[in-house]
Amino acid sequence: AQSVTQPDIHITVSEGASLELRCNYSYGATPYLFWYVQSPGQGLQLLLKYFSGDTLVQGIKGFEAEFKRSQSSFNLRKPSVHWSDAAEYFCAVGAKEYGNKLVFGAGTILRVKS
Amino acid sequence: GAGVSQSPSNKVTEKGKDVELRCDPISGHTALYWYRQSLGQGLEFLIYFQGNSAPDKSGLPSDRFSAERTGGSVSTLTIQRTQQEDSAVYLCASSLGGSAGELFFGEGSRLTVL
Repeated sequence: AQSVTQPDIHITVSEGASLELRCNYSYGATPYLFWYVQSPGQGLQLLLKYFSGDTLVQGIKGFEAEFKRSQSSFNLRKPSVHWSDAAEYFCAVGAKEYGNKLVFGAGTILRVKS
Repeated sequence: GAGVSQSPSNKVTEKGKDVELRCDPISGHTALYWYRQSLGQGLEFLIYFQGNSAPDKSGLPSDRFSAERTGGSVSTLTIQRTQQEDSAVYLCASSLGGSAGELFFGEGSRLTVL
């Protein structure tokens, strides 16, 4: 069965510092991988996605993520965090073998301190 | 409208009552998803409709939950005999379908069961 693990429930970083949010998945095939962001009181917005090809993908708002098949990971990174990045971040995984149903992780809440 | 529309945005009900939550997806999107978001629980997959295929109901937590999608467009999620543990935000999302593409989320329906 599909599963997605985001091991960090909360992360706090200083404004201007670098960020890495972890995501690990369990699948039997090549997955489709996504990161979504949910700002307070807002709906979920897609940050970036990986389907195939280059394993380093660029997204909106200066975010990037790297697919590492050997580690079953798709970690989200940003070189310099802004206060407006404070939000909850969700990793999601899908696969044709599972009818393209997207399964989400439990989320990581990012706090940014000035 | 341009986005996914959900109604009601807020619903307070008494334990044991039935509730219906409505989702109007983006026009032309063949895939429609329902998720439940509880505090600290991330997004829990409930049900997935893709075109005329039989829906994937594997995430429905009990037989009190059901959903239908009429005419390949509007969907209704029904919860019968509501319980306090059903209190959550119910999110609807749609996508173009075919392969796991970007999901566009509605603002959600917040259900409170007293």
